[in-house]
Amino acid sequence: EVQLVESGGGLVQPGGSLRLSCAASGFTVSSNYMSWVRQAPGKGLEWVSVIYSGGSTYYADSVKGRFTISRDNSKNTLYLQMNSLRAEDTAVYYCAREEGYYSHYYMDVWGKGTTVTVSS
Amino acid sequence: DIQMTQSPSSVSASVGDRVTITCRASQGISSWLAWYQQKPGKAPKLLIYAASSLQSGVPSRFSGSGSGTDFTLTISSLQPEDFATYYCQQANSFLRTFGQGTKVEIK
Repeated sequence: EVQLVESGGGLVQPGGSLRLSCAASGFTVSSNYMSWVRQAPGKGLEWVSVIYSGGSTYYADSVKGRFTISRDNSKNTLYLQMNSLRAEDTAVYYCAREEGYYSHYYMDVWGKGTTVTVSS
Repeated sequence: DIQMTQSPSSVSASVGDRVTITCRASQGISSWLAWYQQKPGKAPKLLIYAASSLQSGVPSRFSGSGSGTDFTLTISSLQPEDFATYYCQQANSFLRTFGQGTKVEIK
Protein backbone atom coordinates (compact mmCIF):
# COMPACT_ATOMS: atom_id res chain seq x y z
CA GLU A 1 0.00 0.00 0.00
CA VAL A 2 1.26 3.45 -0.91
CA GLN A 3 1.49 5.49 2.28
CA LEU A 4 3.15 8.56 3.79
CA VAL A 5 3.56 9.07 7.53
CA GLU A 6 4.78 12.38 8.93
CA SER A 7 6.40 12.85 12.31
CA GLY A 8 8.50 15.35 14.21
CA GLY A 9 5.98 18.05 14.91
CA GLY A 10 5.63 19.70 18.30
CA LEU A 11 5.86 22.88 20.30
CA VAL A 12 8.90 25.08 19.67
CA GLN A 13 9.82 28.60 20.75
CA PRO A 14 10.16 31.42 18.23
CA GLY A 15 13.62 31.32 16.69
CA GLY A 16 13.93 27.61 17.32
CA SER A 17 14.37 24.68 14.96
CA LEU A 18 12.52 21.49 14.16
CA ARG A 19 12.99 18.68 11.66
CA LEU A 20 9.97 16.97 10.17
CA SER A 21 10.15 13.49 8.70
CA CYS A 22 7.90 11.78 6.17
CA ALA A 23 8.35 8.02 5.87
CA ALA A 24 7.14 6.49 2.64
CA SER A 25 6.03 2.95 1.91
CA GLY A 26 4.88 1.31 -1.29
CA PHE A 27 6.98 3.55 -3.53
CA THR A 28 10.46 5.08 -3.71
CA VAL A 29 10.85 8.67 -2.53
CA SER A 30 13.96 9.32 -4.61
CA SER A 31 12.16 8.37 -7.84
CA ASN A 32 9.39 10.88 -7.30
CA TYR A 33 8.81 14.58 -6.85
CA MET A 34 7.90 15.21 -3.21
CA SER A 35 6.34 18.31 -1.66
CA TRP A 36 5.60 19.77 1.74
CA VAL A 37 2.33 21.67 2.12
CA ARG A 38 1.13 23.39 5.29
CA GLN A 39 -2.16 24.62 6.67
CA ALA A 40 -2.35 27.21 9.42
CA PRO A 41 -5.25 26.84 11.86
CA GLY A 42 -8.51 27.71 10.12
CA LYS A 43 -6.69 28.71 6.93
CA GLY A 44 -6.14 27.31 3.46
CA LEU A 45 -3.38 25.21 1.97
CA GLU A 46 0.04 26.75 1.41
CA TRP A 47 2.70 25.00 -0.65
CA VAL A 48 6.06 25.09 1.13
CA SER A 49 8.72 23.21 -0.83
CA VAL A 50 9.41 20.54 -3.43
CA ILE A 51 12.32 18.23 -4.19
CA TYR A 52 12.56 16.78 -7.65
CA SER A 53 13.70 13.24 -8.36
CA GLY A 54 16.89 14.72 -9.79
CA GLY A 55 17.53 16.58 -6.54
CA SER A 56 16.54 20.14 -7.46
CA THR A 57 14.73 21.97 -4.69
CA TYR A 58 12.36 24.95 -4.62
CA TYR A 59 10.79 26.94 -1.81
CA ALA A 60 7.94 29.34 -1.22
CA ASP A 61 9.17 32.87 -0.59
CA SER A 62 7.76 32.70 2.95
CA VAL A 63 10.25 29.98 3.97
CA LYS A 64 13.19 30.49 1.62
CA GLY A 65 16.47 30.67 3.52
CA ARG A 66 14.93 29.19 6.67
CA PHE A 67 13.63 25.77 5.58
CA THR A 68 15.53 22.97 3.81
CA ILE A 69 13.95 19.99 2.10
CA SER A 70 15.97 16.79 1.76
CA ARG A 71 15.62 13.03 1.56
CA ASP A 72 17.41 9.92 2.76
CA ASN A 73 17.24 7.29 0.06
CA SER A 74 18.35 4.48 2.40
CA LYS A 75 15.45 5.23 4.73
CA ASN A 76 12.98 6.14 1.95
CA THR A 77 12.21 9.25 3.96
CA LEU A 78 11.62 12.92 3.15
CA TYR A 79 12.63 15.68 5.57
CA LEU A 80 11.93 19.32 6.21
CA GLN A 81 14.47 21.13 8.36
CA MET A 82 12.88 24.27 9.76
CA ASN A 83 15.07 26.96 11.31
CA SER A 84 14.39 30.45 12.65
CA LEU A 85 10.79 29.50 13.27
CA ARG A 86 8.15 32.20 13.59
CA ALA A 87 4.63 32.23 15.01
CA GLU A 88 3.28 32.33 11.48
CA ASP A 89 4.88 28.94 10.77
CA THR A 90 2.34 27.35 13.11
CA ALA A 91 0.44 24.85 10.98
CA VAL A 92 -0.27 21.26 10.12
CA TYR A 93 2.47 20.13 7.76
CA TYR A 94 1.65 17.56 5.11
CA CYS A 95 4.03 15.71 2.83
CA ALA A 96 2.75 14.69 -0.57
CA ARG A 97 3.93 12.62 -3.51
CA GLU A 98 3.70 14.30 -6.88
CA GLU A 99 2.72 12.23 -9.88
CA GLY A 100 3.72 13.45 -13.32
CA TYR A 101 1.42 13.94 -16.29
CA TYR A 102 3.09 15.30 -19.43
CA SER A 103 5.86 16.75 -17.25
CA HIS A 104 3.46 18.55 -14.93
CA TYR A 105 3.03 17.23 -11.43
CA TYR A 106 0.08 16.75 -9.13
CA MET A 107 -0.11 15.72 -5.46
CA ASP A 108 -1.76 12.31 -5.58
CA VAL A 109 -0.72 10.80 -2.24
CA TRP A 110 -0.78 12.71 1.05
CA GLY A 111 0.19 11.94 4.59
CA LYS A 112 -2.09 12.69 7.53
CA GLY A 113 0.03 15.61 8.68
CA THR A 114 2.05 16.63 11.72
CA THR A 115 1.34 19.72 13.81
CA VAL A 116 3.94 22.41 14.44
CA THR A 117 3.22 25.08 17.03
CA VAL A 118 5.59 28.02 17.39
CA SER A 119 4.95 29.82 20.65
CA SER A 120 6.73 31.04 23.74
CA ASP B 1 4.59 33.96 -8.64
CA ILE B 2 1.30 32.79 -10.09
CA GLN B 3 -1.68 33.76 -7.92
CA MET B 4 -4.82 31.62 -7.86
CA THR B 5 -8.18 33.15 -6.96
CA GLN B 6 -11.24 31.03 -6.27
CA SER B 7 -14.86 32.10 -6.16
CA PRO B 8 -17.06 31.96 -4.31
CA SER B 9 -15.36 31.59 -0.92
CA SER B 10 -18.33 29.57 0.26
CA VAL B 11 -21.52 28.18 -1.23
CA SER B 12 -24.61 26.77 0.44
CA ALA B 13 -26.29 23.99 -1.47
CA SER B 14 -28.66 21.09 -1.04
CA VAL B 15 -28.21 17.42 -1.83
CA GLY B 16 -28.85 16.94 -5.54
CA ASP B 17 -27.87 20.50 -6.50
CA ARG B 18 -25.39 21.30 -9.24
CA VAL B 19 -22.45 23.23 -7.82
CA THR B 20 -19.84 25.15 -9.79
CA ILE B 21 -16.62 26.61 -8.37
CA THR B 22 -14.33 28.84 -10.37
CA CYS B 23 -10.58 29.40 -10.20
CA ARG B 24 -8.66 32.14 -11.97
CA ALA B 25 -4.91 32.24 -12.49
CA SER B 26 -2.99 35.51 -12.56
CA GLN B 27 -1.31 34.39 -15.77
CA GLY B 28 -1.90 31.67 -18.30
CA ILE B 29 -1.20 28.15 -17.08
CA SER B 30 -2.47 26.18 -20.09
CA SER B 31 -4.31 23.18 -18.60
CA TRP B 32 -1.93 22.61 -15.71
CA LEU B 33 -4.42 22.79 -12.89
CA ALA B 34 -5.60 20.41 -10.17
CA TRP B 35 -8.58 20.35 -7.85
CA TYR B 36 -8.48 18.89 -4.34
CA GLN B 37 -11.16 18.11 -1.78
CA GLN B 38 -10.49 18.46 1.93
CA LYS B 39 -12.74 17.42 4.78
CA PRO B 40 -12.24 18.74 8.33
CA GLY B 41 -9.25 17.18 10.07
CA LYS B 42 -8.25 15.22 6.98
CA ALA B 43 -5.59 15.52 4.32
CA PRO B 44 -6.54 16.87 0.91
CA LYS B 45 -7.56 14.42 -1.81
CA LEU B 46 -6.78 14.84 -5.51
CA LEU B 47 -9.98 14.97 -7.59
CA ILE B 48 -9.00 16.42 -10.97
CA TYR B 49 -5.64 16.94 -12.68
CA ALA B 50 -4.68 18.59 -15.95
CA ALA B 51 -7.85 20.68 -15.61
CA SER B 52 -10.26 17.96 -16.71
CA SER B 53 -8.80 14.49 -16.03
CA LEU B 54 -10.60 12.59 -13.30
CA GLN B 55 -8.30 10.95 -10.74
CA SER B 56 -8.79 7.19 -10.39
CA GLY B 57 -11.58 6.31 -7.97
CA VAL B 58 -13.22 9.76 -8.00
CA PRO B 59 -16.96 9.70 -8.79
CA SER B 60 -17.96 10.88 -12.25
CA ARG B 61 -20.24 13.59 -10.81
CA PHE B 62 -17.04 15.63 -10.43
CA SER B 63 -15.77 17.31 -13.58
CA GLY B 64 -13.32 20.04 -14.44
CA SER B 65 -12.91 22.36 -17.39
CA GLY B 66 -11.01 25.39 -18.57
CA SER B 67 -7.63 26.44 -19.87
CA GLY B 68 -5.44 29.50 -19.85
CA THR B 69 -6.54 31.52 -16.85
CA ASP B 70 -10.13 30.42 -16.11
CA PHE B 71 -11.16 27.06 -14.73
CA THR B 72 -14.23 25.46 -13.20
CA LEU B 73 -14.98 22.49 -10.97
CA THR B 74 -18.52 21.17 -11.27
CA ILE B 75 -20.31 18.73 -9.02
CA SER B 76 -23.30 17.60 -11.08
CA SER B 77 -25.46 16.29 -8.23
CA LEU B 78 -24.22 17.10 -4.75
CA GLN B 79 -24.05 14.16 -2.38
CA PRO B 80 -23.84 14.27 1.44
CA GLU B 81 -20.20 13.20 1.36
CA ASP B 82 -19.31 16.14 -0.92
CA PHE B 83 -19.69 18.78 1.76
CA ALA B 84 -16.08 19.88 2.12
CA THR B 85 -13.61 22.57 1.11
CA TYR B 86 -12.24 22.56 -2.43
CA TYR B 87 -8.91 23.98 -3.57
CA CYS B 88 -7.43 24.59 -6.97
CA GLN B 89 -3.65 24.40 -7.49
CA GLN B 90 -1.56 25.43 -10.45
CA ALA B 91 1.07 22.99 -11.68
CA ASN B 92 2.56 25.21 -14.37
CA SER B 93 5.37 26.65 -12.30
CA PHE B 94 8.01 25.06 -10.08
CA LEU B 95 6.53 27.31 -7.39
CA ARG B 96 3.21 25.60 -6.81
CA THR B 97 0.32 27.74 -5.54
CA PHE B 98 -3.15 26.98 -4.22
CA GLY B 99 -6.33 28.97 -4.36
CA GLN B 100 -7.76 30.15 -1.05
CA GLY B 101 -10.45 27.48 -1.00
CA THR B 102 -14.21 27.22 -1.45
CA LYS B 103 -16.30 25.72 1.33
CA VAL B 104 -19.39 23.83 0.20
CA GLU B 105 -21.91 23.90 3.03
CA ILE B 106 -25.29 22.34 3.62
CA LYS B 107 -28.22 24.63 2.89
